[in-house]
Amino acid sequence: RKEVEQDPGPFNVPEGATVAFNCTYSNSASQSFFWYRQDCRKEPKLLMSVYSSGNEDGRFTAQLNRASQYISLLIRDSKLSDSATYLCVVNMNSGGYQKVTFGTGTKLQVIP
Amino acid sequence: NAGVTQTPKFQVLKTGQSMTLQCAQDMNHNSMYWYRQDPGMGLRLIYYSASEGTTDKGEVPNGYNVSRLNKREFSLRLESAAPSQTSVYFCASSEGYGELFFGEGSRLTVL
Repeated sequence: RKEVEQDPGPFNVPEGATVAFNCTYSNSASQSFFWYRQDCRKEPKLLMSVYSSGNEDGRFTAQLNRASQYISLLIRDSKLSDSATYLCVVNMNSGGYQKVTFGTGTKLQVIP
Repeated sequence: NAGVTQTPKFQVLKTGQSMTLQCAQDMNHNSMYWYRQDPGMGLRLIYYSASEGTTDKGEVPNGYNVSRLNKREFSLRLESAAPSQTSVYFCASSEGYGELFFGEGSRLTVL
């Protein structure tokens, strides 16, 4: 089983739609969680951190369920500019260093 | 704001040739990382450096070496390139357990 698993997609959605991505992680000792966004042929960039209480940043909402070991990202009112690959990232303290594990990403295509 | 700078951005090598990817960050971060990204495989950690003077193997270190030259610079060397090392390489830096900042990537093709 992969440490971090995501549905690769692609998710093709019309502008204005709401879309949700899920991500599961296998190590219950994982400590912090993030969503990164990666545009085609570009480097990954932090989209948002994910907190146990859930957090929102504009049209984006992230949730963490530690009991079930999954993370979600909800995008409301999708824009063409949201088209990208979304990477789920899980961090864990491993022997004094930050072990960062990336999911393989979920590709989103927002269609006019 | 430079952030993380990688060179070269593109490189084509023949099997058996060697090369070094350079990475520098200007954010005074202690930790630096080298990843490779292949289709369907996600980002995989090659080597990391938790602080100046230390380096450790990641998930896929075979065929690579690294040097943490100083706090700013972390280089990745391929001693004898193989076609399996064709990939996109990303350098990243971070402070503590926070955000990873990536360079723009280096696209390497080994023929």
